Amino acid sequence: DVKVTQSSRYLVKRTGEKVFLECVQDMDHENMFWYRQDPGLGLRLIYFSYDVKMKEKGDIPEGYSVSREKKERFSLILESASTNQTSMYLCASSRYRDSYNSPLHFGNGTRLTVT
Amino acid sequence: GQNIDQPTEMTATEGAIVQINCTYQTSGFNGLFWYQQHAGEAPTFLSYNVLDGLEEKGRFSSFLSRSKGYSYLLLKELQMKDSASYLCAVMDSNYQLIWGAGTKLIIKP
Repeated sequence: DVKVTQSSRYLVKRTGEKVFLECVQDMDHENMFWYRQDPGLGLRLIYFSYDVKMKEKGDIPEGYSVSREKKERFSLILESASTNQTSMYLCASSRYRDSYNSPLHFGNGTRLTVT
Repeated sequence: GQNIDQPTEMTATEGAIVQINCTYQTSGFNGLFWYQQHAGEAPTFLSYNVLDGLEEKGRFSSFLSRSKGYSYLLLKELQMKDSASYLCAVMDSNYQLIWGAGTKLIIKP
């Protein structure tokens, strides 16, 4: 089974802090994604990556950046955390690029609270 | 714009059948996914449809009509463990997933 591991389950940070969310997958998947999930809204894509050192903006990239130095690891960075970034953050991976039948495998999520 | 609609919440009785609908308007279509998400947990993949018709997997079935922009997830012989949110997602022509807000399914004894 694919395992996607997010480094923290819960995080509490202060406004203005730099925050790092780490994600590792163990199945050599090409694609990795960062989403945020808020009540009443669908999953919203922040950034994704199809290869090492490659990144693409999703629907809501403002206030975030990412890093993919190794194939298995995809990091989400909040440069200066704000209260409107309080959310559940989900990392996901999938095997093939541009493949219509390549389901996402999700990590268990990081619930971030910014005070 | 692109849009996925599904009911916010549904309630059903243990042992019964429930149908969760999903309608979509997207730029192109490369398939529709259903995911299950228990409270506090990660979404897990349930089904994928790209051709019209019904796909059956045990107690769960998923139906697609591309001409109507419509899908449903059918859950039979409901069990308490089926209480979860069910997420509908469509892959558009750029292979990007568009997500619905999810349907919270409550199962009562």
